[in-house]
Amino acid sequence: AQTVTQSQPEMSVQEAETVTLSCTYDTSESDYYLFWYKQPPSRQMILVIRQEAYKQQNATENRFSVNFQKAAKSFSLKISDSQLGDAAMYFCAYRSAHSGNTPLVFGKGTRLSVIA
Amino acid sequence: EADIYQTPRYLVIGTGKKITLECSQTMGHDKMYWYQQDPGMELHLIHYSYGVNSTEKGDLSSESTVSRIRTEHFPLTLESARPSHTSQYLCASSETKLRAEAFFGQGTRLTVV
Repeated sequence: AQTVTQSQPEMSVQEAETVTLSCTYDTSESDYYLFWYKQPPSRQMILVIRQEAYKQQNATENRFSVNFQKAAKSFSLKISDSQLGDAAMYFCAYRSAHSGNTPLVFGKGTRLSVIA
Repeated sequence: EADIYQTPRYLVIGTGKKITLECSQTMGHDKMYWYQQDPGMELHLIHYSYGVNSTEKGDLSSESTVSRIRTEHFPLTLESARPSHTSQYLCASSETKLRAEAFFGQGTRLTVV
């Protein structure tokens, strides 16, 4: 079974600075999808960024980018120019591409605080 | 804003009561999920469905049950609530495509006293 590990339960960053959240995963599959989700306090969980394993190019969405290292099974999220609104729980997630009926596998999450 | 809704947002109920947490989505998604979120914020999959009349149990053993009679509706029922059921419950849905993101509801915070 696949597992996702987020080794940083909590992180903090100064406003306008850059922070990197770590995620590693364990799988024997070669084709899969990786996601970062954000859950602000008392608000809905939303997708931040998505990466297809077959793509070598790292995904980027505005201030959010990933460092996808397939051989190392690592998928870190970099947040540039951090803003107060970035404070949230961040979850890394994995989905197999080999079965149409595979739910997302989530890590335990990283709580990010942004200091003004 | 995702078109997936959970009601109620907050519920305080006595031990032994039967409760149903509602989840509806207007996006026509075949896949729907229920997650239990513990106080440490970890997500545990308790039920999922890949279409009408299809339901499966997730990784976390749960005393709850679900039904999927209509595509847009995926209610979760506890026949007899206990204090151990106190938690945040999140509903989600997604398209069938593997690369599709999951959309989450705002959650129901359940307290059993």
